[in-house]
Amino acid sequence: AQSVAQPEDQVNVAEGNPLTVKCTYSVSGNPYLFWYVQYPNRGLQFLLKYITGDNLVKGSYGFEAEFNKSQTSFHLKKPSALVSDSALYFCAVSPRENTGFQKLVFGTGTRLLVSP
Amino acid sequence: EAQVTQNPRYLITVTGKKLTVTCSQNMNHEYMSWYRQDPGLGLRQIYYSMNVEVTDKGDVPEGYKVSRKEKRNFPLILESPSPNQTSLYFCASSLVGTGPTEAFFGQGTRLTVV
Repeated sequence: AQSVAQPEDQVNVAEGNPLTVKCTYSVSGNPYLFWYVQYPNRGLQFLLKYITGDNLVKGSYGFEAEFNKSQTSFHLKKPSALVSDSALYFCAVSPRENTGFQKLVFGTGTRLLVSP
Repeated sequence: EAQVTQNPRYLITVTGKKLTVTCSQNMNHEYMSWYRQDPGLGLRQIYYSMNVEVTDKGDVPEGYKVSRKEKRNFPLILESPSPNQTSLYFCASSLVGTGPTEAFFGQGTRLTVV
């Protein structure tokens, strides 16, 4: 069965510093990988996805994620954090055999707190 | 504007009183899904639908029902709510294609069952 682990409940970073939110996955075969962000009192918003090809994926709001097959990781990164990046971040995986529809398995979420 | 609309946003109810949470999308998406979000557990899928009249169980379907009579609507029904169904619920929709597509989420429904 597929699963996603986000080992940190919360990540604290100062504004202007780089940030990393960690995600590891377990799935048979090659996965599709996603990051979603949830701002207070809002639904989840899509940030980026990895399908195939370049291991570094660029997404919305200056975020990027690096796919590492040997470490089964898909860490979210941003070179310079903003206070407005403070939110709850979810990593999700969808097995490749689910082409045609999207069965997402989510991690437990990591709260990012960016201090001024 | 492309959106997924859930109603109500907040609901407090009593044990055993049937309720329905509505979900509607205006993007002509085939795939719709319900999730519940609980602290420390992330989002777990309750039910999903590939298209009209096609629904299937997700990971935590017990105590819930759904229907898909129209493409745009996917209501979540709790026939006899219990306190363990107190949670934050999200509806999502996406296109069905040959690869993964972006899922659009509603703003959520916070349900409290007392």
